[in-house]
Amino acid sequence: QQQVKQSPQSLIVQKGGIPIINCAYENTAFDYFPWYQQFPGKGPALLIAIRPDVSEKKEGRFTISFNKSAKQFSLHIMDSQPGDSATYFCAASSLPGKLIFGQGTTLQVKP
Amino acid sequence: NAGVTQTPKFQVLKTGQSMTLQCAQDMNHEYMSWYRQDPGMGLRLIHYSVGAGITDQGEVPNGYNVSRSTTEDFPLRLLSAAPSQTSVYFCASSYSGTEPYEQYFGPGTRLTVT
Repeated sequence: QQQVKQSPQSLIVQKGGIPIINCAYENTAFDYFPWYQQFPGKGPALLIAIRPDVSEKKEGRFTISFNKSAKQFSLHIMDSQPGDSATYFCAASSLPGKLIFGQGTTLQVKP
Repeated sequence: NAGVTQTPKFQVLKTGQSMTLQCAQDMNHEYMSWYRQDPGMGLRLIHYSVGAGITDQGEVPNGYNVSRSTTEDFPLRLLSAAPSQTSVYFCASSYSGTEPYEQYFGPGTRLTVT
Protein backbone atom coordinates (compact mmCIF):
# COMPACT_ATOMS: atom_id res chain seq x y z
CA GLN A 1 0.00 0.00 0.00
CA GLN A 2 1.54 3.24 -1.16
CA GLN A 3 1.08 5.83 1.59
CA VAL A 4 2.26 8.71 -0.58
CA LYS A 5 1.17 8.79 -4.22
CA GLN A 6 3.03 11.04 -6.67
CA SER A 7 2.15 12.12 -10.20
CA PRO A 8 3.03 12.43 -12.98
CA GLN A 9 5.73 9.83 -13.41
CA SER A 10 7.50 12.00 -15.98
CA LEU A 11 7.21 15.56 -17.22
CA ILE A 12 8.69 17.52 -20.10
CA VAL A 13 8.51 21.33 -20.21
CA GLN A 14 10.15 24.10 -22.18
CA LYS A 15 12.61 26.46 -20.53
CA GLY A 16 10.68 29.11 -18.62
CA GLY A 17 7.66 26.85 -18.12
CA ILE A 18 6.15 25.99 -14.73
CA PRO A 19 6.18 22.25 -14.07
CA ILE A 20 3.80 21.08 -11.34
CA ILE A 21 4.22 17.81 -9.47
CA ASN A 22 1.46 16.51 -7.25
CA CYS A 23 1.38 14.25 -4.20
CA ALA A 24 -1.42 12.79 -2.10
CA TYR A 25 -1.20 11.11 1.28
CA GLU A 26 -3.47 9.05 3.50
CA ASN A 27 -2.01 9.16 6.99
CA THR A 28 -3.27 12.22 8.87
CA ALA A 29 -0.47 11.77 11.43
CA PHE A 30 2.05 13.06 8.87
CA ASP A 31 3.23 16.53 9.93
CA TYR A 32 6.22 17.22 7.70
CA PHE A 33 6.19 17.25 3.90
CA PRO A 34 9.51 17.72 2.07
CA TRP A 35 10.49 17.67 -1.57
CA TYR A 36 13.82 16.18 -2.63
CA GLN A 37 15.77 16.67 -5.86
CA GLN A 38 18.02 13.93 -7.18
CA PHE A 39 20.52 14.02 -10.02
CA PRO A 40 21.76 10.79 -11.65
CA GLY A 41 24.30 8.98 -9.52
CA LYS A 42 23.74 11.25 -6.50
CA GLY A 43 21.82 11.04 -3.27
CA PRO A 44 18.57 12.99 -2.84
CA ALA A 45 18.98 16.59 -1.65
CA LEU A 46 16.36 18.50 0.29
CA LEU A 47 14.77 21.22 -1.82
CA ILE A 48 11.96 22.65 0.29
CA ALA A 49 9.63 21.44 3.04
CA ILE A 50 6.33 22.48 4.60
CA ARG A 51 4.35 21.84 7.77
CA PRO A 52 0.55 21.37 7.65
CA ASP A 53 -0.16 24.65 9.48
CA VAL A 54 0.67 26.71 6.36
CA SER A 55 -0.86 26.51 2.89
CA GLU A 56 2.09 27.74 0.84
CA LYS A 57 5.84 28.14 1.12
CA LYS A 58 8.25 29.72 -1.35
CA GLU A 59 12.00 29.39 -1.56
CA GLY A 60 13.50 31.01 -4.62
CA ARG A 61 11.85 29.53 -7.72
CA PHE A 62 10.34 26.61 -5.79
CA THR A 63 6.88 26.74 -4.18
CA ILE A 64 4.97 24.15 -2.19
CA SER A 65 1.19 24.38 -2.10
CA PHE A 66 -0.50 22.40 0.67
CA ASN A 67 -4.17 21.44 0.99
CA LYS A 68 -4.73 19.80 4.36
CA SER A 69 -8.41 18.98 3.84
CA ALA A 70 -7.70 17.23 0.53
CA LYS A 71 -4.51 15.64 1.89
CA GLN A 72 -2.59 16.85 -1.14
CA PHE A 73 0.49 18.94 -1.76
CA SER A 74 2.33 20.03 -4.86
CA LEU A 75 5.63 21.46 -6.05
CA HIS A 76 5.76 24.31 -8.56
CA ILE A 77 9.01 25.32 -10.25
CA MET A 78 8.86 28.87 -11.58
CA ASP A 79 10.88 29.89 -14.65
CA SER A 80 12.26 26.36 -15.04
CA GLN A 81 15.78 25.94 -16.41
CA PRO A 82 17.58 23.01 -18.10
CA GLY A 83 19.62 22.66 -14.88
CA ASP A 84 16.38 21.75 -13.07
CA SER A 85 16.22 18.52 -15.07
CA ALA A 86 16.29 15.85 -12.37
CA THR A 87 14.10 13.40 -10.49
CA TYR A 88 11.87 14.92 -7.81
CA PHE A 89 10.46 13.07 -4.84
CA CYS A 90 7.80 14.13 -2.42
CA ALA A 91 7.78 12.61 1.05
CA ALA A 92 5.87 12.69 4.31
CA SER A 93 6.84 12.02 7.89
CA SER A 94 5.38 11.72 11.37
CA LEU A 95 8.69 10.97 13.09
CA PRO A 96 12.27 12.23 12.54
CA GLY A 97 14.26 9.69 10.55
CA LYS A 98 11.18 8.09 9.09
CA LEU A 99 10.41 9.53 5.65
CA ILE A 100 7.81 7.88 3.42
CA PHE A 101 8.50 8.74 -0.22
CA GLY A 102 6.40 9.04 -3.33
CA GLN A 103 7.38 7.16 -6.48
CA GLY A 104 9.27 10.05 -8.06
CA THR A 105 8.85 12.31 -11.10
CA THR A 106 11.48 12.62 -13.80
CA LEU A 107 11.53 16.21 -15.08
CA GLN A 108 13.13 17.28 -18.34
CA VAL A 109 13.41 20.98 -19.11
CA LYS A 110 14.13 21.57 -22.79
CA PRO A 111 16.29 24.58 -23.78
CA ASN B 1 32.47 18.14 7.85
CA ALA B 2 32.38 15.18 5.48
CA GLY B 3 28.60 14.86 6.00
CA VAL B 4 27.14 11.39 5.45
CA THR B 5 29.59 8.89 3.98
CA GLN B 6 28.82 5.43 2.62
CA THR B 7 31.10 2.57 1.66
CA PRO B 8 31.47 0.81 -0.65
CA LYS B 9 30.14 2.74 -3.67
CA PHE B 10 29.58 -0.43 -5.69
CA GLN B 11 29.32 -4.07 -4.69
CA VAL B 12 28.51 -7.32 -6.46
CA LEU B 13 27.46 -10.30 -4.35
CA LYS B 14 26.48 -13.85 -5.11
CA THR B 15 23.20 -15.20 -3.76
CA GLY B 16 23.63 -16.33 -0.17
CA GLN B 17 26.65 -14.19 0.61
CA SER B 18 26.60 -11.75 3.49
CA MET B 19 27.96 -8.24 3.69
CA THR B 20 27.76 -4.99 5.62
CA LEU B 21 27.07 -1.60 4.08
CA GLN B 22 28.79 1.10 6.07
CA CYS B 23 27.33 4.51 6.92
CA ALA B 24 28.95 7.22 9.00
CA GLN B 25 28.19 10.85 9.78
CA ASP B 26 30.31 13.46 11.49
CA MET B 27 27.55 15.96 12.28
CA ASN B 28 26.56 14.48 15.67
CA HIS B 29 23.11 13.67 14.30
CA GLU B 30 20.87 11.53 16.50
CA TYR B 31 18.60 10.21 13.76
CA MET B 32 19.90 7.86 11.08
CA SER B 33 18.05 5.84 8.46
CA TRP B 34 18.56 3.36 5.64
CA TYR B 35 16.54 3.48 2.41
CA ARG B 36 16.59 1.44 -0.76
CA GLN B 37 15.78 2.94 -4.16
CA ASP B 38 14.29 0.85 -6.94
CA PRO B 39 13.04 2.09 -10.34
CA GLY B 40 9.46 3.33 -10.21
CA MET B 41 9.16 2.80 -6.46
CA GLY B 42 10.86 5.82 -4.98
CA LEU B 43 12.86 5.33 -1.80
CA ARG B 44 11.61 2.88 0.80
CA LEU B 45 12.64 2.95 4.45
CA ILE B 46 14.43 -0.21 5.64
CA HIS B 47 15.43 0.61 9.24
CA TYR B 48 15.92 3.74 11.25
CA SER B 49 17.47 4.81 14.56
CA VAL B 50 16.59 7.65 16.93
CA GLY B 51 19.86 7.38 18.84
CA ALA B 52 22.68 5.08 19.86
CA GLY B 53 21.28 1.72 20.98
CA ILE B 54 17.79 2.35 19.57
CA THR B 55 16.62 1.02 16.20
CA ASP B 56 13.28 0.22 14.61
CA GLN B 57 11.91 -1.29 11.43
CA GLY B 58 10.75 0.67 8.43
CA GLU B 59 8.62 -0.34 5.45
CA VAL B 60 10.84 -3.13 4.07
CA PRO B 61 13.00 -4.58 6.89
CA ASN B 62 13.04 -8.27 5.91
CA GLY B 63 16.50 -9.60 5.07
CA TYR B 64 18.32 -6.70 6.72
CA ASN B 65 19.77 -6.16 10.20
CA VAL B 66 21.03 -2.98 11.83
CA SER B 67 22.62 -1.92 15.07
CA ARG B 68 23.72 1.47 16.40
CA SER B 69 26.49 1.25 18.91
CA THR B 70 27.75 4.82 18.37
CA THR B 71 26.14 8.10 17.31
CA GLU B 72 28.37 8.25 14.23
CA ASP B 73 27.88 4.83 12.64
CA PHE B 74 24.84 2.92 11.41
CA PRO B 75 25.83 -0.23 9.44
CA LEU B 76 23.31 -2.25 7.43
CA ARG B 77 23.85 -6.01 7.29
CA LEU B 78 22.61 -8.38 4.63
CA LEU B 79 22.75 -11.83 6.19
CA SER B 80 22.05 -13.92 3.08
CA ALA B 81 21.85 -11.83 -0.08
CA ALA B 82 19.06 -12.45 -2.58
CA PRO B 83 18.59 -11.08 -6.13
CA SER B 84 15.57 -9.10 -4.83
CA GLN B 85 18.03 -7.05 -2.77
CA THR B 86 19.66 -5.66 -5.90
CA SER B 87 19.14 -1.93 -5.41
CA VAL B 88 20.75 1.39 -4.58
CA TYR B 89 21.03 1.91 -0.84
CA PHE B 90 21.04 5.33 0.78
CA CYS B 91 21.87 6.26 4.34
CA ALA B 92 20.54 9.51 5.82
CA SER B 93 20.83 11.44 9.05
CA SER B 94 19.16 14.34 10.82
CA TYR B 95 19.61 16.42 13.95
CA SER B 96 17.17 16.85 16.81
CA GLY B 97 17.99 20.54 17.20
CA THR B 98 16.71 23.01 14.63
CA GLU B 99 14.81 20.71 12.29
CA PRO B 100 14.90 17.02 13.25
CA TYR B 101 12.94 15.94 10.21
CA GLU B 102 15.43 17.43 7.73
CA GLN B 103 17.41 14.44 6.50
CA TYR B 104 20.77 14.60 4.76
CA PHE B 105 21.54 11.75 2.38
CA GLY B 106 24.79 10.02 1.57
CA PRO B 107 25.96 9.29 -2.00
CA GLY B 108 24.59 5.73 -2.02
CA THR B 109 25.83 2.18 -2.50
CA ARG B 110 24.87 0.34 -5.68
CA LEU B 111 24.45 -3.36 -4.87
CA THR B 112 24.00 -6.14 -7.40
CA VAL B 113 23.16 -9.68 -6.27
CA THR B 114 23.65 -12.38 -8.89
